[in-house]
Amino acid sequence: AQSVTQLDSQVPVFEEAPVELRCNYSSSVSVYLFWYVQYPNQGLQLLLKYLSGSTLVKGINGFEAEFNKSQTSFHLRKPSVHISDTAEYFCAVSDQTGANNLFFGTGTRLTVIP
Amino acid sequence: KAGVTQTPRYLIKTRGQQVTLSCSPISGHRSVSWYQQTPGQGLQFLFEYFSETQRNKGNFPGRFSGRQFSNSRSEMNVSTLELGDSALYLCASSGLAGGPGEQYFGPGTRLTVT
Repeated sequence: AQSVTQLDSQVPVFEEAPVELRCNYSSSVSVYLFWYVQYPNQGLQLLLKYLSGSTLVKGINGFEAEFNKSQTSFHLRKPSVHISDTAEYFCAVSDQTGANNLFFGTGTRLTVIP
Repeated sequence: KAGVTQTPRYLIKTRGQQVTLSCSPISGHRSVSWYQQTPGQGLQFLFEYFSETQRNKGNFPGRFSGRQFSNSRSEMNVSTLELGDSALYLCASSGLAGGPGEQYFGPGTRLTVT
């Protein structure tokens, strides 16, 4: 089985400042990794994914994440945040069997302060 | 292309009743997964259907069931509702072109059990 730990439940950051949201995972098998964003009263939207290849993954809205196998981490970063980035962010993993069951972390609430 | 739609968006039920939620996936998607989101437990995988067959199941009691129709639309049913079943129920669909594990979420159905 897999599990995901998001180390920060809330992250406040000033507008135009950089941000890093941390994610660590645990798994006995190889996994795929994802970051999703959830805006209020909406479903989840995929930000980016790591399947294989380059460990630096770029996603939508200027976000990027780096897969670190030795540290079992997949931290999400953005060099300059906007007010519109205020949302809940979820890190998720799935195994590589082709099944679509995602294991999610508990989420990080990002609040961008004007 | 229309996104994943879920009906109804909001639902209020009484303990002991049963409820049926509906999900229409993105056109062409054959996999539909269901998740439960609560403040205490976060996002948890319920089950996945692919081509009318349950392909994967999470760790939920038998009161939670689902099915998928030939047009890929899916329903989930919860019988004998408990207060703890109050949650946001999210449906997600995926297709072969999207890559492994990449799912598109609907806006969810907010179920309140009183």
